[in-house]
Amino acid sequence: DQQVKQNSPSLSVQEGRISILNCDYTNSMFDYFLWYKKYPAEGPTFLISISSIKDKNEDGRFTVFLNKSAKHLSLHIVPSQPGDSAVYFCAARSFTSGTYKYIFGTGTRLKVLA
Amino acid sequence: NAGVTQTPKFRVLKTGQSMTLLCAQDMNHEYMYWYRQDPGMGLRLIHYSVGEGTTAKGEVPDGYNVSRLKKQNFLLGLESAAPSQTSVYFCASSRQRRQKETQYFGPGTRLLVL
Repeated sequence: DQQVKQNSPSLSVQEGRISILNCDYTNSMFDYFLWYKKYPAEGPTFLISISSIKDKNEDGRFTVFLNKSAKHLSLHIVPSQPGDSAVYFCAARSFTSGTYKYIFGTGTRLKVLA
Repeated sequence: NAGVTQTPKFRVLKTGQSMTLLCAQDMNHEYMYWYRQDPGMGLRLIHYSVGEGTTAKGEVPDGYNVSRLKKQNFLLGLESAAPSQTSVYFCASSRQRRQKETQYFGPGTRLLVL
């Protein structure tokens, strides 16, 4: 049972345009959501996060939107740059057995075309 | 400040062989995690540790053992490797703060079991 889903395995966008990556979740107890970016042969690196009590968080070209009623998370990148080409994972956090645990989506491969 | 490092970067094993993957972090983080990443699947938690001397099972613990004898190190062991354990293994660490939380990942260990 996949609690965090990224239904688009890949996405191609022209340089300068907006990239929108989507993530759906099923567990209403998740309290924190994160996006990670991963380049080939490297570990994931943190990009941006949002608490469940907010609906938007912005950091430069990156904005994360949270729609709790729809259990939907999205990452907007504006404008997209070739260096943004990577795999993006969304992750959701829950507090169970006295510790925080993270459930990751399957990832979306973004390709920004020059 | 090296962050999270993993040793080795790549390894080929024969079925039934054993090996230990080493993760080290220099950020004084309490929490450490081992994940595996397989094609079409997100990062899945194998084992984690909430502090020196503690370990706990994650989502897919079977076939693996871990130890956290020192705060900065988290070891993942495969006692008898199987082809199903062919994967990329990522170690991560974090402080487990309530807000502005993030995990820091190592570069990964690519394991091939023949």
